[in-house]
Amino acid sequence: AQSVTQLDSQVPVFEEAPVELRCNYSSSVSVYLFWYVQYPNQGLQLLLKYLSGSTLVKGINGFEAEFNKSQTSFHLRKPSVHISDTAEYFCAVSYGNKLVFGAGTILRVKS
Amino acid sequence: DTGVSQNPRHKITKRGQNVTFRCDPISEHNRLYWYRQTLGQGPEFLTYFQNEAQLEKSRLLSDRFSAERPKGSFSTLEIQRTEQGDSAMYLCASSPYVQGASLSTEAFFGQGTRLTVV
Repeated sequence: AQSVTQLDSQVPVFEEAPVELRCNYSSSVSVYLFWYVQYPNQGLQLLLKYLSGSTLVKGINGFEAEFNKSQTSFHLRKPSVHISDTAEYFCAVSYGNKLVFGAGTILRVKS
Repeated sequence: DTGVSQNPRHKITKRGQNVTFRCDPISEHNRLYWYRQTLGQGPEFLTYFQNEAQLEKSRLLSDRFSAERPKGSFSTLEIQRTEQGDSAMYLCASSPYVQGASLSTEAFFGQGTRLTVV
C-alpha cells in the first residue's frame, strides 16, 4: 500500500523568506504525485502535480516541487512567501483510483 | 458551473441520529469521490463512483455509511446512528475519467461538510 509522510507538522517562516515543505512517499511502482493547499474551512485546491517527464514541476502561486525517485521525495518550495500563503499543505500520491494523503503541514507566514 | 458544491456546509446532530450530505460534482465529470478528514489529519478515502456505479469502498466505510449516485449526477452520503467518532469534515471531489489512466487527472474538491456529533 502507498503511504505519504510529511515530516513537518508546522513550518513558521517570515514573509519574503524561502520555504520548503517536505514530502516522502512509499511506493514500489510508478506514481503520480500532488500537492494541495487548504485554507481554513475550505476544500482542497491543487497547487501542482507530477505525472511524468521533467522532475521539476511548477504550480500556481509561485510554488514548485521536485520529484526525486531515488529518494522517493516530492518536496514543495517557494522562493519568497507571502502572508497569504498561510494555510495547510497536503502531499498526496495516487493509488489505483484514489489519492492517499499525508497528514499535512501548516505553513505560518509571519510579518 | 463554478465547481464542486456540497451541502450543508455545517451539520450538528445528536448521537444516534441519521444525517445525509449532498455533493454536486462538476457537470462533465463522471468520477465522484468521498473523503473524510479528521482534525490534524489528511483526507482519507471513503468511496468513489464512476457514473452511477460505486466501484470501490474503503474499510473505513462501515455498514452505517451508505453512498449513492443515482443517474450519475449528484451523490449523497448517509450516516445512520451517528457516533461521536463520526465528527469530521466530509469532502467530495470529482474528476473526468480518462480511458486507460488511473488518477492522472486533477481531482476538484468541494468545500466540505463539517459534521459535529454531540
